[in-house]
Amino acid sequence: EVQLEESGGGLVQPGGSLRLSCTAAGLTFGNSWMTWVRQAPGKGLEWLAMIKEDGSEIYYLSSVRGRFTISRDNAKNSLFLEMSSLRPEDTAIYYCATGWASHDYWGQGTLVTVSS
Amino acid sequence: DIVMTQSPDSLAVSLGERATITCKSSQTVINPSNNKNYLAWYQQKPGQPPKLLIYWASTRKSGVPDRFSGSGSGTDFTLTISSLQAEDVAVYYCHQYNNVPRTFGQGTKLEIK
Repeated sequence: EVQLEESGGGLVQPGGSLRLSCTAAGLTFGNSWMTWVRQAPGKGLEWLAMIKEDGSEIYYLSSVRGRFTISRDNAKNSLFLEMSSLRPEDTAIYYCATGWASHDYWGQGTLVTVSS
Repeated sequence: DIVMTQSPDSLAVSLGERATITCKSSQTVINPSNNKNYLAWYQQKPGQPPKLLIYWASTRKSGVPDRFSGSGSGTDFTLTISSLQAEDVAVYYCHQYNNVPRTFGQGTKLEIK
């Protein structure tokens, strides 16, 4: 059974930084593109970034490029999202998901709240 | 960016009746390399992550009940639930994966009438 577990969310002040992690089990992580998607409270889904199996290709939503950095450690079956210069509008549940195309598997998400 | 527009925003359907949600993309999601529609549908229940129902516009994911079906091509797509069950109450999203950035529709909230 594929399991994805996000961690690292919490309360952060505007302008602050946070590092999210996603640990995978039950799949060959090194063979999977991985994606971050977020959902603001009561709102829809917003794709943020994705990274190729070996990390050689990375794509970002324009509004987070330069502030967010996606990375991975295949030896540890882990995906990361480094977030800086956080804004109140970055408040959301952050999900990791598998896949370059449709997303078969999703974690339960981790809540990031940006507030003073 | 490709804009995905779903309609309606909310829908109330009686148990056992058909529910239909449409999704329109601002440009085609057909990839000329393989002539496939790069379009998926997800179901999200409160407090849960999205669940993949349909990919390549009409391929049902293994384990998804056959009352769920997807159709359409190019820029116009439909998700149909043939006979609504109580457990189908959720928000449904379409998603294009033909271009970067990937984009989702705004969601359609499905309720029981």
